[in-house]
Amino acid sequence: DQQVKQNSPSLSVQEGRISILNCDYTNSMFDYFLWYKKYPAEGPTFLISISSIKDKNEDGRFTVFLNKSAKHLSLHIVPSQPGDSAVYFCAAIPSSNFGNEKLTFGTGTRLTIIP
Amino acid sequence: EAQVTQNPRYLITVTGKKLTVTCSQNMNHEYMSWYRQDPGLGLRQIYYSMNVEVTDKGDVPEGYKVSRKEKRNFPLILESPSPNQTSLYFCASSSRGLSNQPQHFGDGTRLSIL
Repeated sequence: DQQVKQNSPSLSVQEGRISILNCDYTNSMFDYFLWYKKYPAEGPTFLISISSIKDKNEDGRFTVFLNKSAKHLSLHIVPSQPGDSAVYFCAAIPSSNFGNEKLTFGTGTRLTIIP
Repeated sequence: EAQVTQNPRYLITVTGKKLTVTCSQNMNHEYMSWYRQDPGLGLRQIYYSMNVEVTDKGDVPEGYKVSRKEKRNFPLILESPSPNQTSLYFCASSSRGLSNQPQHFGDGTRLSIL
């Protein structure tokens, strides 16, 4: 049972345009969400996060939007750059998981930025 | 440099031959965790540890053991590996209080069990 879903396995975007990566979740107990970026042969690296008390968080070119009623979050990258080509994972943590910082991951979206 | 170090990075071995994947972090983090990544399934938690001598099962603990004798080290032990444990493994660590201390991941260990 996949509680965090990334329905687009891949996405291609022209350099300079906006990249939008989507993530849906089913567990209403999730209250903290993160995006990780992963290059080949490396571990995931933290990108940006959002608490369920917010609906938007911005960090430079990266913005995460959270729609709690739809159980949906998205990551916007603008403008997209070639170095953004990577696999992006969304992840979530439920409020009941005190002590175990377990991340429940989506299956990932491979983003390719076309020069 | 703050890092999580896993060894080995790659290993091909045979069914039943005990192996250990080491994980070490230099950030004095209390929390450490092991995940495995499989196609179409994302990363799933195997075991975690909230501090020295405190470990517990994650979502997919069968066939694995861990220990946490020191704060910096969290080895993953496969006593009798089987082909269904062929996967890409990641170790991660963080300070307690995830909201402002996201997990740091190692670069992964690719295990192939023949």
